Amino acid sequence: NAGVTQTPKFRILKIGQSMTLQCTQDMNHNYMYWYRQDPGMGLKLIYYSVGAGITDKGEVPNGYNVSRSTTEDFPLRLELAAPSQTSVYFCASSKLEEQYFGPGTRLTVT
Amino acid sequence: KNQVEQSPQSLIILEGKNCTLQCNYTVSPFSNLRWYKQDTGRGPVSLTIMTFSENTKSNGRYTATLDADTKQSSLHITASQLSDSASYICVVSPDYGGSQGNLIFGKGTKLSVKP
Repeated sequence: NAGVTQTPKFRILKIGQSMTLQCTQDMNHNYMYWYRQDPGMGLKLIYYSVGAGITDKGEVPNGYNVSRSTTEDFPLRLELAAPSQTSVYFCASSKLEEQYFGPGTRLTVT
Repeated sequence: KNQVEQSPQSLIILEGKNCTLQCNYTVSPFSNLRWYKQDTGRGPVSLTIMTFSENTKSNGRYTATLDADTKQSSLHITASQLSDSASYICVVSPDYGGSQGNLIFGKGTKLSVKP
């Protein structure tokens, strides 16, 4: 099993550009999550999904969108990138209590 | 307000020594408390998960303790190794099962193990 995979690993965006962060898991987990981690801060939940076709907002959803068309994939969309979205983004999945995290995407918006 | 506070913010120890990291929380209701290890540039990896009825749980050289009455937890690392250098994150869940969409993350303790 590859676990949770994320692409790209790094990305630099200009203000106003759009991009999609990809996340795929091969563990057949129902629950998937997107977090952002800012320097010196705890992880903040952006969006999560309890299954295909079902998504819900987390603590910091503004400026992001998600979709969940399959169990495996949970992409995160940034429509109009802003400097405040410079962060490291982690995707995670879980079946029960334990969450499994991907390696992260480091995004810089300039 | 639900909060998870960790101390110290950072810690430097010599290889082979023991250390203890602290976590205080003000989360209610309480379902479980987790400790994660995050290596630089990587995603967090679970070390232990404890429910309110568990006082201690071990994972190799890592031992977590929980006092649900005082809302405190600690992570003890025995005979530290260079590979223990990482951030250790305390996470509290107020939800029983389900989506785990309300986890409260601490800011982490950055541990450096020197030879």
